[in-house]
Amino acid sequence: DIQMTQSPSTLSASVGDSVSITCRASHNTNFLAWYQQKPGKAPKPLIFRTSTLENGVPSRFSGGGSGTEFTLTISGLQPDDFATYYCLDYDRSYTFGQGTKVEIK
Amino acid sequence: EVQLVESGGGLVQPGRSLRLSCAASGFKFTDHALNWVRLSPKKGLEWVAGVSYNSLSIGYSDSVKGRFTISRDNAKESVFLQMNSLSPDDTALYYCVRSVGGYLTHFDNWGQGTLVTVSS
Repeated sequence: DIQMTQSPSTLSASVGDSVSITCRASHNTNFLAWYQQKPGKAPKPLIFRTSTLENGVPSRFSGGGSGTEFTLTISGLQPDDFATYYCLDYDRSYTFGQGTKVEIK
Repeated sequence: EVQLVESGGGLVQPGRSLRLSCAASGFKFTDHALNWVRLSPKKGLEWVAGVSYNSLSIGYSDSVKGRFTISRDNAKESVFLQMNSLSPDDTALYYCVRSVGGYLTHFDNWGQGTLVTVSS
């Protein structure tokens, strides 16, 4: 069974802070994506293939990692960034992480 | 503009069935695999099922395998999810989601979702 362990589950931060979210995979993968979801809205694609930004995503978002450990970094949080973030492994099947809620401190 | 519009959700008793539909527009339907992903407060986002453009590759999560069936009608540009033997654990908002290309590529467009509530 493929597992994606995402941490932390909640992150409190202020506008302007830089924050990182981690996803650990139970197997090596090269296919890792990140999504942002706000209440009542559909998830928004941010990053695919570990580090490639979707069109229109601000450059303060970045993705990195390899093998089994991956990170999403937001450099300089903006008010629009307070949301829940999910990683997705799409290597052998589709497995989401449990989500990280980024809230205002 | 890519549009994915889900329908068919509602309140259903445990053990009963429900069929979800997703009408697609704004893109070449046969260039993309399609999926159903659900969101629940308890589990967050969970991939449920996916189907390739020609229906030759189909996959299901372990939690729905044997109970749910995904299908697509390329002529009607629609994808469906037949859900049988529903349980309260299936209560969720169900999204129709487009893969950027074939089966097992990342997701690039999501519908707004249809709510399924399983309760007696």
